[in-house]
Amino acid sequence: NTVMTQSPTSMFISVGDRVTMNCKASQNVGTNVDWYQQKTGQSPKLLIYGASNRYTGVPDRFTGSGSGTDFTLTISNMQAEDLAVYYCLQYNYNPPTFGAGTKLELK
Amino acid sequence: EVQLVESGGSLVQPGGSLKLSCVASGFTFSNYWMDWVRQTPGKSLEWIGEINTDGSKTNYAPSIKDRFTISRDNAKSTLYLQMSNVKSDDTAIYYCRTTAAYWGQGTLVTVSS
Repeated sequence: NTVMTQSPTSMFISVGDRVTMNCKASQNVGTNVDWYQQKTGQSPKLLIYGASNRYTGVPDRFTGSGSGTDFTLTISNMQAEDLAVYYCLQYNYNPPTFGAGTKLELK
Repeated sequence: EVQLVESGGSLVQPGGSLKLSCVASGFTFSNYWMDWVRQTPGKSLEWIGEINTDGSKTNYAPSIKDRFTISRDNAKSTLYLQMSNVKSDDTAIYYCRTTAAYWGQGTLVTVSS
């Protein structure tokens, strides 16, 4: 299986911060990567598809980038409502595989 | 509005069986591939498998192959996950999903004696 390694595991942040998290694939997955946000008690919500395309209704402070094996999700001007766990998913190879997540917490 | 509502989760003994359902509304169910994803107590997400639009083709993750079966009834807009010979590692919240964007709220399966 394609392993998706997310870093860091957790981050302590402040409102207004610029946040960057990473996802590294164990093999070339092209741009077939999605990013999800999951808040406590909720199902995951799609933020970014195809590595860099913002899903409908997602604020433009969320930006995805990368291709091949290295991918980044950036949140500019972090808001309190963005506190959540963020997961990457590759769907270039079967089975699709998720990263273990990056948890954002308040300082 | 797209809605996916899972049901059928419960406490089941190791080696037992369970059938989950996912009722879809707000879109033409028969036009979309569907899949199941689970989230373990340790919080990681795992893709389980998928089914094509008419139910003639399925793909499964190696970890559950031959124990779980995905099926669908397009007349009822319902997706199913038949789980057999369950193990403690199958304890998780099970989500149905269509495209990348639409997920149900999940149903909890606990495998324990």
